[in-house]
Amino acid sequence: EDKVVQSPLSLVVHEGDTVTLNCSYEVTNFRSLLWYKQEKKAPTFLFMLTSSGIEKKSGRLSSILDKKELFSILNITATQTGDSAIYLCAGGVYNTDKLIFGTGTRLQVFP
Amino acid sequence: KAGVTQTPRYLIKTRGQQVTLSCSPISGHRSVSWYQQTPGQGLQFLFEYFSETQRNKGNFPGRFSGRQFSNSRSEMNVSTLELGDSALYLCASSVGTGPNEKLFFGSGTQLSVL
Repeated sequence: EDKVVQSPLSLVVHEGDTVTLNCSYEVTNFRSLLWYKQEKKAPTFLFMLTSSGIEKKSGRLSSILDKKELFSILNITATQTGDSAIYLCAGGVYNTDKLIFGTGTRLQVFP
Repeated sequence: KAGVTQTPRYLIKTRGQQVTLSCSPISGHRSVSWYQQTPGQGLQFLFEYFSETQRNKGNFPGRFSGRQFSNSRSEMNVSTLELGDSALYLCASSVGTGPNEKLFFGSGTQLSVL
């Protein structure tokens, strides 16, 4: 059965800290690994990773995929209170928009 | 460009009733997917529609159904509601034709079943 596992489930840090969020996956017909940020209701897109070893960056956020170990990480440097959210990892499947989501990592950043 | 629009934002129903949720995708997007989000299970895939055809379906009972109209708008219906159906129902859209399509989510419909 397809599954995506995220760790840790919850993380509490202070502003300025660097955090690493983990995502492992077992997805049949795996196409891509996606990261979303969910603050209130609508998850917002962060990254889509399809190739191993190529880091994607957006400001203080970066992510990388290891297709051999079936693993991805999301790094956030110099965290800010606005980074507080649930971070969702999802595996994409070929020829469909179906995503297999992990249960998310809840990040809380305190001043 | 307007984002994915879901209506209504909130719904309160009682057990045994049925409910219909609506989703308008981003203009030009032809694929619409539905997800159920609960605190314990996270986001779970319900079904996906592309050009008015169901392209994929998740492991939900037959009480959950959906459809897509020619303008790509989609509805999902849940009949004979159960307490466990209480959840945030999220709709997502994409262009639907490429191998690396990103999904864009709406703000969801929060359904409470009493």
